Amino acid sequence: EPEVTQTPSHQVTQMGQEVILRCVPISNHLYFYWYRQILGQKVEFLVSFYNNEISEKSEIFDDQFSVERPDGSNFTLKIRSTKLEDSAMYFCASSEKRFYEQYFGPGTRLTVT
Amino acid sequence: AQTVTQSQPEMSVQEAETVTLSCTYDTSESDYYLFWYKQPPSRQMILVIRQEAYKQQNATENRFSVNFQKAAKSFSLKISDSQLGDAAMYFCAYRTGNQFYFGTGTSLTVIP
Repeated sequence: EPEVTQTPSHQVTQMGQEVILRCVPISNHLYFYWYRQILGQKVEFLVSFYNNEISEKSEIFDDQFSVERPDGSNFTLKIRSTKLEDSAMYFCASSEKRFYEQYFGPGTRLTVT
Repeated sequence: AQTVTQSQPEMSVQEAETVTLSCTYDTSESDYYLFWYKQPPSRQMILVIRQEAYKQQNATENRFSVNFQKAAKSFSLKISDSQLGDAAMYFCAYRTGNQFYFGTGTSLTVIP
């Protein structure tokens, strides 16, 4: 069964460094998403992406964040200058159509020291 | 603003018994979708069940079923014949457009 994959599973970085989290959505899906989950808290929406552009974003998704689909398979989340409070689990998700269920990847645990 | 409330931070159930997890939401939208996601210790979010708001019939997926009360904005999940593998964090989620709104989760323990 096709699944969303994410790399790396765990990323440790120093405050102020740039990180890129990578996702490979399910191949026939057209909508892509990033979420984050700070430890012990609920999952929070960051951004949705369709047709090579951001379709929606939350207030969390500020200028430090960017997303890109550099090729036909990868979907990346970049954090330009990481802060301690960016430490969280980041989930990528994809869906086939706009109102269809989203399939989540296993997540990348980002630790900022 | 759209909010999702799960009032039970923790629940437990005996193996083979039935448990119901509650969820309420607040929205002014008429077209939306509701979901229950399971997050086991591996932390991967797994879709359990989905309900379209325009459908009156409650969704069912094997041992999982929902009680969708649109007027009351309530969307509870019933797990029948609970199994040890059902132990996980369960998140209720509401979706409109491209945005998902998640509740704070209910941690379900299954007692052998």
